[in-house]
Amino acid sequence: GAGVSQSPSNKVTEKGKDVELRCDPISGHTALYWYRQSLGQGLEFLIYFQGNSAPDKSGLPSDRFSAERTGGSVSTLTIQRTQQEDSAVYLCASSPGARWDGYTFGSGTRLTVV
Amino acid sequence: GQNIDQPTEMTATEGAIVQINCTYQTSGFNGLFWYQQHAGEAPTFLSYNVLDGLEEKGRFSSFLSRSKGYSYLLLKELQMKDSASYLCAVRDRGYSTLTFGKGTMLLVSP
Repeated sequence: GAGVSQSPSNKVTEKGKDVELRCDPISGHTALYWYRQSLGQGLEFLIYFQGNSAPDKSGLPSDRFSAERTGGSVSTLTIQRTQQEDSAVYLCASSPGARWDGYTFGSGTRLTVV
Repeated sequence: GQNIDQPTEMTATEGAIVQINCTYQTSGFNGLFWYQQHAGEAPTFLSYNVLDGLEEKGRFSSFLSRSKGYSYLLLKELQMKDSASYLCAVRDRGYSTLTFGKGTMLLVSP
């Protein structure tokens, strides 16, 4: 597509439920990144995909967080047994390759855990 | 570890010039980036420095000193639409992942 698309744009969930966040990167971009942004905090790196593999998943905060990417395109970030501290904006970005290249960010998914 | 510092907030007047500073301490360095983020929107790329010196792009310029671990973003002829958060980010591992500062909220007043 023309830009990075994320869905849903907003998600309210009850504590303890699982959620799935979706990212559709720019067509042809091989690199895909997940970040989260909490109020008053900077962007926190979660995981990086090159193609379908994740060479860097060091930012995932706990084993409740997982992500996959299929067909070198769409990625899904799954949070199991959500907690209130998971409330944040989850941003996805893509770039043409692992060597720089500027990230293009999606508009994010605002997750609220109540 | 990585540490990126930038002021939390700045204010300036329409038509003026403002300089937003960023200092960093990272385990490696492979480029410094500036992004602009309007409230409720995605960050958008502004500039990239990998060598020392000034990069100019229209009303925006970015400067880097690797020996000092220091960068600044210079915005000239400020407009109301420049009110936004400005994020400094460093690529410190491999060629891909960026580590972001907490951002500087710039408010431009008439």
